[in-house]
Amino acid sequence: SQTIHQWPATLVQPVGSPLSLECTVEGTSNPNLYWYRQAAGRGLQLLFYSVGIGQISSEVPQNLSASRPQDRQFILSSKKLLLSDSGFYLCAWSVPGDGTEAFFGQGTRLTVV
Amino acid sequence: GENVEQHPSTLSVQEGDSAVIKCTYSDSASNYFPWYKQELGKRPQLIIDIRSNVGEKKDQRIAVTLNKTAKHFSLHITETQPEDSAVYFCAAIYSGTYKYIFGTGTRLKVLA
Repeated sequence: SQTIHQWPATLVQPVGSPLSLECTVEGTSNPNLYWYRQAAGRGLQLLFYSVGIGQISSEVPQNLSASRPQDRQFILSSKKLLLSDSGFYLCAWSVPGDGTEAFFGQGTRLTVV
Repeated sequence: GENVEQHPSTLSVQEGDSAVIKCTYSDSASNYFPWYKQELGKRPQLIIDIRSNVGEKKDQRIAVTLNKTAKHFSLHITETQPEDSAVYFCAAIYSGTYKYIFGTGTRLKVLA
């Protein structure tokens, strides 16, 4: 069966420090991959999505970047964190093709101090 | 660009009453419309979905309706229970890009 791993679960980072969140999927090939951010009490904002290795689409200009170095690995990064980067970050995957369920990782609660 | 609007942002109902959440999408090429439930501090999970070639789908107390002409779709929960309290998100999948856009969420409170 397919599983998605996202880590760490919680993270406290100072302003100006770098960030690396990792997400891996098991049990499927060539998944669509997504990074979302959820501010406290708010909706799911799509940050990046990828339909293949090295193919990254950015939705919102911001202080973050994403990479997909391997088929089932999706990384969210920042060189210098801002206070406004705090939030709940969720990785998700779906089967390629139109109209399939998205499966979410456990999420990472990032607090920038 | 693609957009999904969701209303209301909060909804309180008495236990046993019905709850309705509505969404509107912008891209007529969208072809898949799932609904997710997110409990506090947890990941969103799919509760029901509908495809563009279907007008209505029901699963026990939950139903979803789709009006493609108006680009509206709605979630209906009947006989609400306290455990239905959560944040509900609609989403639309944009054909060809596989972009998964979510609505802004509805916080449902079922009052015992």
